Amino acid sequence: DAKTTQPPSMDCAEGRAANLPCNHSTISGNEYVYWYRQIHSQGPQYIIHGLKNNETNEMASLIITEDRKSSTLILPHATLRDTAVYYCIVRVEAGNMLTFGGGTRLMVKP
Amino acid sequence: IAGITQAPTSQILAAGRRMTLRCTQDMRHNAMYWYRQDLGLGLRLIHYSNTAGTTGKGEVPDGYSVSRANTDDFPLTLASAVPSQTSVYFCASSLLRDSGELFFGEGSRLTVL
Repeated sequence: DAKTTQPPSMDCAEGRAANLPCNHSTISGNEYVYWYRQIHSQGPQYIIHGLKNNETNEMASLIITEDRKSSTLILPHATLRDTAVYYCIVRVEAGNMLTFGGGTRLMVKP
Repeated sequence: IAGITQAPTSQILAAGRRMTLRCTQDMRHNAMYWYRQDLGLGLRLIHYSNTAGTTGKGEVPDGYSVSRANTDDFPLTLASAVPSQTSVYFCASSLLRDSGELFFGEGSRLTVL
């Protein structure tokens, strides 16, 4: 599975959009981009995933560049409860392994 | 809503003792997983099971064993605990083996002295 690069930390003001970037320049054509988050002391939580089209669900939007070498997770109206570590993972659909890297620690501030 | 239940929540264990971490899911998911999380090393896959009756090794399987006698339960056993197994252990499940949408439990914090 391709390696991902994320900034170690970011801040966001409460109520504003949080845009979390992820670089996956070595991604292969059959690899999906997954996003998870982990709120302090809890188990990771699935957020969203996509292959090449932009995706949106009740939690977030995922924007994948046309060349698929990077993506952005967007939390449209961040709240204090969105403070967490966000993991960007690239995975072949048929693979068993989800490899979690260091992630981005998002701090939502009042 | 139950989802994934792990037990115990936390445990302090003497080195050399045997320990089984329990994991039960009520979602009828086929695949289950055990991860450990350590500071600076992130989450690492220990063992997995694609379906009842089958298991496989993940990234860090040494010192651990698993079994999958039925769909719901996936216990993780440390036959003889060592201090390096001090960690937070997360159990997870997914509907299908190919799914990347995993549901995680709340974790079991294990300290081996």
